[in-house]
This record gives sequence, structure tokens and C-alpha cells, in this order.
Amino acid sequence: DTEVTQTPKHLVMGMTNKKSLKCEQHMGHRAMYWYKQKAKKPPELMFVYSYEKLSINESVPSRFSPECPNSSLLNLHLHALQPEDSALYLCASSQDLSGAYNEQFFGPGTRLTVL
Amino acid sequence: KQEVTQIPAALSVPEGENLVLNCSFTDSAIYNLQWFRQDPGKGLTSLLLIQSSQREQTSGRLNASLDKSSGRSTLYIAASQPGDSATYLCAVGGGYNTNAGKSTFGDGTTLTVKP
Repeated sequence: DTEVTQTPKHLVMGMTNKKSLKCEQHMGHRAMYWYKQKAKKPPELMFVYSYEKLSINESVPSRFSPECPNSSLLNLHLHALQPEDSALYLCASSQDLSGAYNEQFFGPGTRLTVL
Repeated sequence: KQEVTQIPAALSVPEGENLVLNCSFTDSAIYNLQWFRQDPGKGLTSLLLIQSSQREQTSGRLNASLDKSSGRSTLYIAASQPGDSATYLCAVGGGYNTNAGKSTFGDGTTLTVKP
């Protein structure tokens, strides 16, 4: 099973709301990623967790707060977002960050619209 | 800083044609290179991963090659079908000069296969 699931599929929120995106994998992977993708652009890396610890933060604004409660789950907490944060948010996982064998598997994404 | 370029940006072919998509990168010190397809509004589907020590990988009608010394990879699709219509992205896995968790994506090639 190479499935990564994400909920919700769609999310509409106001600029004062607090919401969370969820990601889950049961492949035993120990690295998990959040990407942001704007229309007709490639994914942009936001955060990487390795063995439940934050490994990479690509200078993402603090209104995005990641959390990795266990090896199967990854959350992205959203607060006080801006309309320009509207995008497709993708979660991915890989075996670990060991390098050559690091095949990433992506979830279907959450389409976020900020009003 | 790694830069990844995909040429052409868009490609339209008749059904049954064999085709080649190109990916070039500037820093040859990579761990791996991964090819993905993405349907509109969907997540990324992993097609092939080539480790830095490998020259090519094959899966069904797909064949991907890697020439690290010249900074190039190609994705060959045989006997194209309308269902192959999608955007194809290559991602270069972080190598010795960067963090192992960081992949650099090309902008993608949008393929249309006409019946």
C-alpha cells in the first residue's frame, strides 16, 4: 500500500479562522513533508519531519504551524491566513532521509481557499 | 543552488507516438531523480525513481534515464495513449551540497495525447 491520505479535500476559511489539515500514511515511513502548490507551478517545500522531529523549515510564515504527533500523522495548523495562501497543499512521505532510496509518495492534496 | 529545467513546457502528440521528455539540472551531486505525473487539481503520482548510481529505470511503457555528468534525465513514453495526458514533473533529490530532504522540482511538461 503506497497511499497517503489527506483531509479535508477542500477547505474554505476566512482570514480570522483557525483550521487544520491532516495527513496520514501507513507505509512505515519516517519522513513526512508539507508542500504548497500554486496553479501551474511546481510544489514548493514548506516543512520536513524526520522521525517526528522538524528537520527542515523553509522560512514559512508562523501562521503555518506543523505538527507530527506520531510517525503516521502529520498536521498543518492554519491561523490568520491571507488570500495569497490559497493553494493546493500536498503532503508526502518517504522511507526516511537517507538519500538515494528516498522515493516520495504524495497524497491527493487539500485545496485551500482563503477569503 | 540547484536549478531544474524541463523542456518542452508543453507537448501535443497523436495517440500511438513515442515521445521523450527532458529534464536538466545544474548540480550533479544528487542522491536521486524522481519522475512524477500530475493530473489537474490532483496530487503527484510517482512514476520512477532513479538512484544516483543507476543509469535507467523502466516501468511498463516508461523508461527513464539519468546522466549525472551532463546533468540530464529523459523520460521516454512508448506508444502514448490519451490517458497519458497530464503534467510530468521531475524532481532532483537533495545531494551532497544540500539537505537530503530537499527536492528541487522542474516546472513540468504538460502532455496532451490526442485520440
